Amino acid sequence: GENVEQHPSTLSVQEGDSAVIKCTYSDSASNYFPWYKQELGKRPQLIIDIRSNVGEKKDQRIAVTLNKTAKHFSLHITETQPEDSAVYFCAASYLRGSSNTGKLIFGQGTTLQVKP
Amino acid sequence: NAGVTQTPKFQVLKTGQSMTLQCAQDMNHNSMYWYRQDPGMGLRLIYYSASEGTTDKGEVPNGYNVSRLNKREFSLRLESAAPSQTSVYFCATKDGGGSGQPQHFGDGTRLSIL
Repeated sequence: GENVEQHPSTLSVQEGDSAVIKCTYSDSASNYFPWYKQELGKRPQLIIDIRSNVGEKKDQRIAVTLNKTAKHFSLHITETQPEDSAVYFCAASYLRGSSNTGKLIFGQGTTLQVKP
Repeated sequence: NAGVTQTPKFQVLKTGQSMTLQCAQDMNHNSMYWYRQDPGMGLRLIYYSASEGTTDKGEVPNGYNVSRLNKREFSLRLESAAPSQTSVYFCATKDGGGSGQPQHFGDGTRLSIL
């Protein structure tokens, strides 16, 4: 079946450093790639998303890049802060066959720890 | 404006018991989804409803049933709970049809099966 692989599973950085999380996907028809942040005991919340017609999108300290040829996309967080500590999930839209229902396939998650 | 509301927030069941998890949204979204979240496995889709009146299986539907009661409400039922169903369950909604729009999550239901 279709899947999304996410790496690394854990990431520890010093405050002020950059963090990069990478995902690869298998469904070549995928055209929507959101990233969610989940703090401990809370709901996943969308932090940024990208559609397949662009290669990069930036929102303040967060950016996402997409390489459709290689089927991978990455989340970049610059000038990390302790409040960035959370679990981050990537996802890719699932469009196999005639299904176009907004389904997402999620990566396994990356636990980011930002040390003060 | 509550967004996506899940009830209950916590529940403990004994093996073999049944229960229904409720999800209601006030965002007027067409699509609704049920996920389970287990450590190290991300979010896995159980069932979804692309629009009112339709439901379909996701990745891990076994042991569950769903009902799209109306546009606002989408419930998940465990007919005979098993310890393997211990998990955190999230409901999500999405506006419009197709892909390209984000899903919005509820706060989750933490379910333990003894």
